Amino acid sequence: QSVLTQPPSASGTPGQRVIISCSGRSSNIGNNYVYWYQQLPGTAPKLLIYKNDQRPSGVPDRFSGSKSGTSASLAISGLRSEDEADYYCASWDDSLSGPVVFGGGTKLTV
Amino acid sequence: EVQLVESGGGLVQPGGSLRLSCAASGFTFRSFEMSWVRQAPGKGLEWVAYISSGRTTMYYADSVKGRFTISRDNDNNSLYLQMNSLRAEDTAVYYCARGEWLLPPGDYWGQGTLVTVSS
Repeated sequence: QSVLTQPPSASGTPGQRVIISCSGRSSNIGNNYVYWYQQLPGTAPKLLIYKNDQRPSGVPDRFSGSKSGTSASLAISGLRSEDEADYYCASWDDSLSGPVVFGGGTKLTV
Repeated sequence: EVQLVESGGGLVQPGGSLRLSCAASGFTFRSFEMSWVRQAPGKGLEWVAYISSGRTTMYYADSVKGRFTISRDNDNNSLYLQMNSLRAEDTAVYYCARGEWLLPPGDYWGQGTLVTVSS
């Protein structure tokens, strides 16, 4: 059971906007930045969003991140078939159980 | 070009040991924090260990604490994960990733190396 809670699956049709949620608590999302990763089948994870809402160079602006309180969201607009992948959120955690926590992942079907 | 290349994975018996390596190139390795993250077959990502750029701070997941040791050689641009007392549940692809101080893994990840613990 993951410390951060994500829906196991999400879906949309090409061109639609999809939002993936990530829920935590004050020791992680509430007091720290949220990161989002995209993992295409058979490949290593790729950083999609860092520090809540920042996009690394090369990541399309169709991807956006936000945070409010102890929850965060990843929005994907103008959905494309190549967006079909697993998406993970992560945050630093101030508790003693381990400083980096991941969500369980959301499989996006387009 | 930034590159992280893991090696050292393989098949090991329960209770055995393995040492993973991650060779870094294309950036100033000694300036970045590093992490190991693993992914069991068909499962999600699990953070394993973190080491600061100057080797003064290390953190471990509860699941590996006391069995795994993260280390680095800044002169040779290498990251390591010494894994002892391996269990079947340690079977996973292990990724090294670059990061920043007190933040999750960041912008560069290796391609991963598979560790299989089985008799």
